[in-house]
Amino acid sequence: AQSVTQPDIHITVSEGASLELRCNYSYGATPYLFWYVQSPGQGLQLLLKYFSGDTLVQGIKGFEAEFKRSQSSFNLRKPSVHWSDAAEYFCAVVPPSGGSYIPTFGRGTSLIVHP
Amino acid sequence: DTGVSQNPRHKITKRGQNVTFRCDPISEHNRLYWYRQTLGQGPEFLTYFQNEAQLEKSRLLSDRFSAERPKGSFSTLEIQRTEQGDSAMYLCASSYGLAGTYVYEQFFGPGTRLTVL
Repeated sequence: AQSVTQPDIHITVSEGASLELRCNYSYGATPYLFWYVQSPGQGLQLLLKYFSGDTLVQGIKGFEAEFKRSQSSFNLRKPSVHWSDAAEYFCAVVPPSGGSYIPTFGRGTSLIVHP
Repeated sequence: DTGVSQNPRHKITKRGQNVTFRCDPISEHNRLYWYRQTLGQGPEFLTYFQNEAQLEKSRLLSDRFSAERPKGSFSTLEIQRTEQGDSAMYLCASSYGLAGTYVYEQFFGPGTRLTVL
């Protein structure tokens, strides 16, 4: 069965600093990969996704992620963090075949932004 | 497009009572998903519908959980004989997708927070 690991429960950065959130997956084939953001009291919003092709994916709100097959990773990055980026971030994987397309989410990384 | 809505937003109940949550998806979306999210965890898939057909329900947590989507529009998730361990956020999401494919973004509702006393 596939699994997703987000090794950092909390990340604290200063406003304006760069950010990298880690995501590693375990699956036999390359799954579909997603990053979502969840603000308090809100549903999850899709930041970006990777299905195939270019391994550097651009998303909304200035985020990008890089897929590295050799490391089974899909890390999320942002060059300059804004205070409004403080939220919970979830990595998710979906198997590329099999018909069910059931997503598996990581436990999330809570981003704290200091002024 | 008003987004995915869920009602109620909060529900407090006593152990042993039944509860029902409603999800109204984005109107043109034919797929609807239910998830459970506990504190400090990511969403956990429960079930999903393609139109009115429930295509996957093996992940429902027990036979106390059931979901319906009559007429392929809104959906309800019912928990019978609630237990304290059922306390969680229940999320609904919708998307558009053809049968057998998954390349479409899921749009999430704000969730229903259930507290079982």
